[in-house]
Amino acid sequence: GAGVSQSPSNKVTEKGKDVELRCDPISGHTALYWYRQSLGQGLEFLIYFQGNSAPDKSGLPSDRFSAERTGGSVSTLTIQRTQQEDSAVYLCASSFRGLAVANTGELFFGEGSRLTVL
Amino acid sequence: AQSVTQLDSHVSVSEGTPVLLRCNYSSSYSPSLFWYVQHPNKGLQLLLKYTSAATLVKGINGFEAEFKKSETSFHLTKPSAHMSDAAEYFCVVSERGYSTLTFGKGTMLLVSP
Repeated sequence: GAGVSQSPSNKVTEKGKDVELRCDPISGHTALYWYRQSLGQGLEFLIYFQGNSAPDKSGLPSDRFSAERTGGSVSTLTIQRTQQEDSAVYLCASSFRGLAVANTGELFFGEGSRLTVL
Repeated sequence: AQSVTQLDSHVSVSEGTPVLLRCNYSSSYSPSLFWYVQHPNKGLQLLLKYTSAATLVKGINGFEAEFKKSETSFHLTKPSAHMSDAAEYFCVVSERGYSTLTFGKGTMLLVSP
């Protein structure tokens, strides 16, 4: 597609429920990133995919968080047993090649999925 | 390790006056530095980048930033603010070999008429 697409744009859930957030990167971009943006906290790195593999998942805050990418394209971030502290905007970004390979620094971001856990 | 500190959480200016958003970085090696902008309810957009070429970098919408190694700074400036510049600005650092960017906590730029 023309840009990075994320869905849903807004999600309200009850504490303890599981949620899935989807990211559709720019066509041809091999690298995909998930970040979390909390109020006043800037962007927190969660996980990075190169193709379908995740060489860096160091930012996932707990084992309740997982992500996968299939076909070198769409990625899903899953949060199990959601907690109120999981409330944030989850941003997905993609780049033509991974930053470790070509440090151009330009990531293309989606508009995010706003998660609210009641 | 790489990190950035944005010295102001909020900056308020009047339309037509200069803008200065301050950023200091910490990096073990020669870093690449970037500024991203986020307008309300929009995704982040790259404003400009420094990757070891010219130390004065020009970006979109009249913004520019100067890399000063001796001061470990990468401040963002614009001679004359416009109402449409109101947004949140993020200073970002990256080192070769790192798989991700490290973002500062952001500076909210408020522009009044």
